[in-house]
Amino acid sequence: KQEVTQIPAALSVPEGENLVLNCSFTDSAIYNLQWFRQDPGKGLTSLLLIQSSQREQTSGRLNASLDKSSGRSTLYIAASQPGDSATYLCAVRNYGQNFVFGPGTRLSVLP
Amino acid sequence: EAGVTQSPTHLIKTRGQQVTLRCSPISGHTSVYWYQQALGLGLQFLLWYDEGEERNRGNFPPRFSGRQFPNYSSELNVNALELEDSALYLCASSFGTYNEQFFGPGTRLTVL
Repeated sequence: KQEVTQIPAALSVPEGENLVLNCSFTDSAIYNLQWFRQDPGKGLTSLLLIQSSQREQTSGRLNASLDKSSGRSTLYIAASQPGDSATYLCAVRNYGQNFVFGPGTRLSVLP
Repeated sequence: EAGVTQSPTHLIKTRGQQVTLRCSPISGHTSVYWYQQALGLGLQFLLWYDEGEERNRGNFPPRFSGRQFPNYSSELNVNALELEDSALYLCASSFGTYNEQFFGPGTRLTVL
């Protein structure tokens, strides 16, 4: 059974810092991995999708990497801004299965 | 292009009642997923529909059920509501089975 964890659970940084969010999964035979952000009480916004054959994906100030063999993905946010404050979730999908979500990292970027 | 839409936005019910939540996927998307996010808990997978068929089901009692219509929209039905069913119910859609999921804004259900 796939299990997903995220470290840290919460993070508070001053504006402008570069930061890394971590996602770990127990079953490395994944099909793909997706990163989302969620604002309080809202739905999820898709940030990046990485296929199992890819090592990384980039979108603007965001870069996500994937290391299947070690069961890890990282989300790198460059030059953080107060608008980046949200909960960041990673979700992992194995073939024939639904997405399994991690518990999220709650990020606060202080002005 | 319109995103995933859900209705209603908010809903208040009492214990024992029944509720129906609705989801319209992005145009062209054939897969629809339902999730429950209770306060302080993570996203729990409920149901996955693809091309009108139920493909997978999460660890929820049978009083949670749903269906997908020929236009790929979907309904989630919850019978005999319990207090712990209070949660944000999220719907997502994807183009095909293993592609990027896009979420709707959710339906906030409160059971009194």
